[in-house]
Amino acid sequence: GAVVSQHPSWVICKSGTSVKIECRSLDFQATTMFWYRQFPKQSLMLMATSNEGSKATYEQGVEKDKFLINHASLTLSTLTVTSAHPEDSSFYICSASSRRNSNQPQHFGDGTRLSIL
Amino acid sequence: EDKVVQSPLSLVVHEGDTVTLNCSYEVTNFRSLLWYKQEKKAPTFLFMLTSSGIEKKSGRLSSILDKKELFSILNITATQTGDSAIYLCASTLSTSGTYKYIFGTGTRLKVLA
Repeated sequence: GAVVSQHPSWVICKSGTSVKIECRSLDFQATTMFWYRQFPKQSLMLMATSNEGSKATYEQGVEKDKFLINHASLTLSTLTVTSAHPEDSSFYICSASSRRNSNQPQHFGDGTRLSIL
Repeated sequence: EDKVVQSPLSLVVHEGDTVTLNCSYEVTNFRSLLWYKQEKKAPTFLFMLTSSGIEKKSGRLSSILDKKELFSILNITATQTGDSAIYLCASTLSTSGTYKYIFGTGTRLKVLA
């Protein structure tokens, strides 16, 4: 089945640091990638949708300058949390789809647990 | 406002029991409904439902969609401890030439030996 790799799986860093998370589709071309945030015992909240070669579309309430998304190739998208603070601590999960329409399910990475001290 | 609501929020059963998980949705431009299972890390895909009344089945799991009443159920028969997980329901909606998922809160299932 489709495989999505997310790296790193766990990050601990000091407040004010910028952190980059990578999401790769290993065996298919991901025209669309999605970034989610999940708080403990809560569901996945969509942060942004990125289509290869174009700017990401952010959900309401998500700061574009805080969460930088790049989707420069069909197999890689990155999320950079800039000047991270403790309130940014969370579980971040990416997913990828091979189509821009909804005919194919999204496949998820294993997530990145971000802890800001 | 687009929303997906799951019930119950949590459930504890014994091995061998049958469980039914519920998902109701209110979304504009509905395209499909999906079920995922999340253990410790990534949600894994279970079912995608687009048509009403057609049951999808995989082993002990089955699911069906009712587009008139706007809900779906996920059934698990003869539950095993390995079924313990969070079950997420998501509705697909079309937006600006692309699509996105709206996830429900999830149902946390615990199966006791």
